[in-house]
Amino acid sequence: TQLLEQSPQFLSIQEGENLTVYCNSSSVFSSLQWYRQEPGEGPVLLVTVVTGGEVKKLKRLTFQFGDARKDSSLHITAAQPGDTGLYLCAGTSGTYKYIFGTGTRLKVLA
Amino acid sequence: NAGVTQTPKFQVLKTGQSMTLQCAQDMNHNSMYWYRQDPGMGLRLIYYSASEGTTDKGEVPNGYNVSRLNKREFSLRLESAAPSQTSVYFCASVGTGYTFGSGTRLTVV
Repeated sequence: TQLLEQSPQFLSIQEGENLTVYCNSSSVFSSLQWYRQEPGEGPVLLVTVVTGGEVKKLKRLTFQFGDARKDSSLHITAAQPGDTGLYLCAGTSGTYKYIFGTGTRLKVLA
Repeated sequence: NAGVTQTPKFQVLKTGQSMTLQCAQDMNHNSMYWYRQDPGMGLRLIYYSASEGTTDKGEVPNGYNVSRLNKREFSLRLESAAPSQTSVYFCASVGTGYTFGSGTRLTVV
């Protein structure tokens, strides 16, 4: 059974701080996605990474796929209250189905 | 840009009652999915439909049935609701990534 573990589970930081959240597995994924979910809404896709070692930037968010395609990280620079939410990673080994991690709940205090 | 539309948004059922959760997408996607989200458990796949006319079980299918009515619509039915099915249910369709609906919050008492 493929599992995706995310850490930390909870993170509360002050506005302007930097943070990194992690998504780890013992399985190899052909692609991995990051989502952000706000209360009362469904997850929204942020990025897809497909190549080992790939780095993608989305404004203040930097996503990296591990060289072995078993792990990924999300780094946020100068966090803002609008970054508050549940961050989910999801991976697939090439089938129709993605496995979701349990999420990192981020709260950015003004 | 409706994307994925789920109805209802909220529902309270008594144990043993049945109901159908509706989902429709307007993006012409082939694949559609039903997930449930519980605190600390993440999103767990109940059923999916890779294309019109096909459905397959996911990780937690017991107590549920699905119907892929056409390319747009994928419904989830609870035949005899149980308190363990209290959860938030999300429908999604897949293009380059998942597009999720806004969810149905179901409470079974």
